[in-house]
Amino acid sequence: IAGITQAPTSQILAAGRRMTLRCTQDMRHNAMYWYRQDLGLGLRLIHYSNTAGTTGKGEVPDGYSVSRANTDDFPLTLASAVPSQTSVYFCASSDSEASTDTQYFGPGTRLTVL
Amino acid sequence: GQNIDQPTEMTATEGAIVQINCTYQTSGFNGLFWYQQHAGEAPTFLSYNVLDGLEEKGRFSSFLSRSKGYSYLLLKELQMKDSASYLCAVMDSNYQLIWGAGTKLIIKP
Repeated sequence: IAGITQAPTSQILAAGRRMTLRCTQDMRHNAMYWYRQDLGLGLRLIHYSNTAGTTGKGEVPDGYSVSRANTDDFPLTLASAVPSQTSVYFCASSDSEASTDTQYFGPGTRLTVL
Repeated sequence: GQNIDQPTEMTATEGAIVQINCTYQTSGFNGLFWYQQHAGEAPTFLSYNVLDGLEEKGRFSSFLSRSKGYSYLLLKELQMKDSASYLCAVMDSNYQLIWGAGTKLIIKP
């Protein structure tokens, strides 16, 4: 693994189903993030984690949950998907101890909820 | 509220120079980032400014004026591969990134 990986690449999901998007990084970054990107809007932060064992809510957390059991993995769960959660989801990580705290992104998951 | 403004779309000619502007109003400031995003791909880091002035990195330069809440990304010697969206983001007082909607840059031969 080099950098950040996400799975699946894309998914079509029926409304009401539960779905977990996976994110793994091998850079030993302490901080991880989940964003959604919708046409015409900027990236919006869903949840974040500053270090393993802690999580926080971003701008649009409703309908989503996360966990951070270890440094490398940061899964995002939709408990009961709704069509408004159709989006492209990006996971990112950063070394918040570094001077610039630059975020590096995974390739994204394209999710369609019908 | 917090706000990042950048033009929705710009067109430029191969070999030319283009300047993409970004204005911001945020609660606190801990740096401004520019990212490049090709269609269907992830954003990739281009530049970071935290002090006023110009940062140059090859064909790309980024400028910041904190007093004006203003930045620009300057792309020189444009190549077709520079066709992409360019995202401006500001790190606020909570060290969270606030993102603009992005500027789609179209390069014509």
